[in-house]
Amino acid sequence: DADVTQTPRNRITKTGKRIMLECSQTKGHDRMYWYRQDPGLGLRLIYYSFDVKDINKGEISDGYSVSRQAQAKFSLSLESAIPNQTALYFCATSLGAGNTEAFFGQGTRLTVV
Amino acid sequence: GENVEQHPSTLSVQEGDSAVIKCTYSDSASNYFPWYKQELGKRPQLIIDIRSNVGEKKDQRIAVTLNKTAKHFSLHITETQPEDSAVYFCAASTGGSNYKLTFGKGTLLTVNP
Repeated sequence: DADVTQTPRNRITKTGKRIMLECSQTKGHDRMYWYRQDPGLGLRLIYYSFDVKDINKGEISDGYSVSRQAQAKFSLSLESAIPNQTALYFCATSLGAGNTEAFFGQGTRLTVV
Repeated sequence: GENVEQHPSTLSVQEGDSAVIKCTYSDSASNYFPWYKQELGKRPQLIIDIRSNVGEKKDQRIAVTLNKTAKHFSLHITETQPEDSAVYFCAASTGGSNYKLTFGKGTLLTVNP
């Protein structure tokens, strides 16, 4: 089955370290998103990309950067991790223009100590 | 930007009862309203969605209603079962070329046997 895959699934890192979360998809979707989930705060959009040459900031982009290496790959980087970036991170994809279903990856649980 | 408010944050019902979760949105241009279910330790998955040209949509035990004038929409689950226990998220999108979902903060639904 076509899917959205995130790596790693769990990661513990130290404050100040650079870390990259990776997302790949076999759905053939153009649009990819990175969300952050915190208890009681729901899913908040970090960055999104509508194609390889398009990158857009979401509502909480500070402290994060992204790279769209190919249609199927979208990576999220924390340049200098801090403890309040401890969260569950989800990558998602959607088909294209118009309102369509978003498909989520399994999530990456990141802990910054 | 869009702001989505979701209530209640927690909801506990007895098996067989109905459950209602309500959301309001701020951007009158929003025209797509999906609902996602996230079981414990799993990824969010779409359970039902509604577009602005429709007032109500039903799929077996779940239904969604939309009031564009009041800018609110609701999820209704009838004859609840223990497997309905999960976190439910509403979302809104203005669609088109700038499609991206803004999520509510989620409702933890517990169905007691």
